[in-house]
Amino acid sequence: NAGVTQTPKFRVLKTGQSMTLLCAQDMNHEYMYWYRQDPGMGLRLIHYSVGEGTTAKGEVPDGYNVSRLKKQNFLLGLESAAPSQTSVYFCASSYFIRSLAAYNEQFFGPGTRLTVL
Amino acid sequence: GENVEQHPSTLSVQEGDSAVIKCTYSDSASNYFPWYKQELGKGPQLIIDIRSNVGEKKDQRIAVTLNKTAKHFSLHITETQPEDSAVYFCAASIRDGGSQGNLIFGKGTKLSVKP
Repeated sequence: NAGVTQTPKFRVLKTGQSMTLLCAQDMNHEYMYWYRQDPGMGLRLIHYSVGEGTTAKGEVPDGYNVSRLKKQNFLLGLESAAPSQTSVYFCASSYFIRSLAAYNEQFFGPGTRLTVL
Repeated sequence: GENVEQHPSTLSVQEGDSAVIKCTYSDSASNYFPWYKQELGKGPQLIIDIRSNVGEKKDQRIAVTLNKTAKHFSLHITETQPEDSAVYFCAASIRDGGSQGNLIFGKGTKLSVKP
């Protein structure tokens, strides 16, 4: 299993450009998440999805959109990039343990380093 | 909203010594507390986790303790090795609408183990 993969690994954008970050997981997980990581700020949740076709806002959703058309993929879009969106973006996936009525760990991808000039 | 405080932000120890990182959380409904290790240029990786029905959990050199009354949990690494050098994040689960699987992360502790 590849686990959680992210494409691309690095990207440089100019202010106002758009792009899509792709996250894929091969573990059949229901839940998927997009985080951003900035120096000294930890990981902050942008958007998440509890299943195919459903998405919800996290802590810092402004300027981002997401789609979950297939269970294994979770896309993060920037319609008009701004320098404040320069960050490292991580995708994660997880699943619900029905026997425990509890959530399991989140598995993280390797990250995408985005610079907006 | 939920908040997770993590201390210290940096920690330097000699090889063989122990390291302790502490976190506090604000939401009494939190019931899952994972610890992640992040090496330079990589994604966070789970090293140990604990659920609210347990007070302590150990895995070889790593242990986590949870005090629900005081709302704090700690990571203990014994016999530290240079390969333990990394950034460590604590997290706490939150109830967010229809999902209880979301996590709030602390800001991280950079651990340096000197040979």
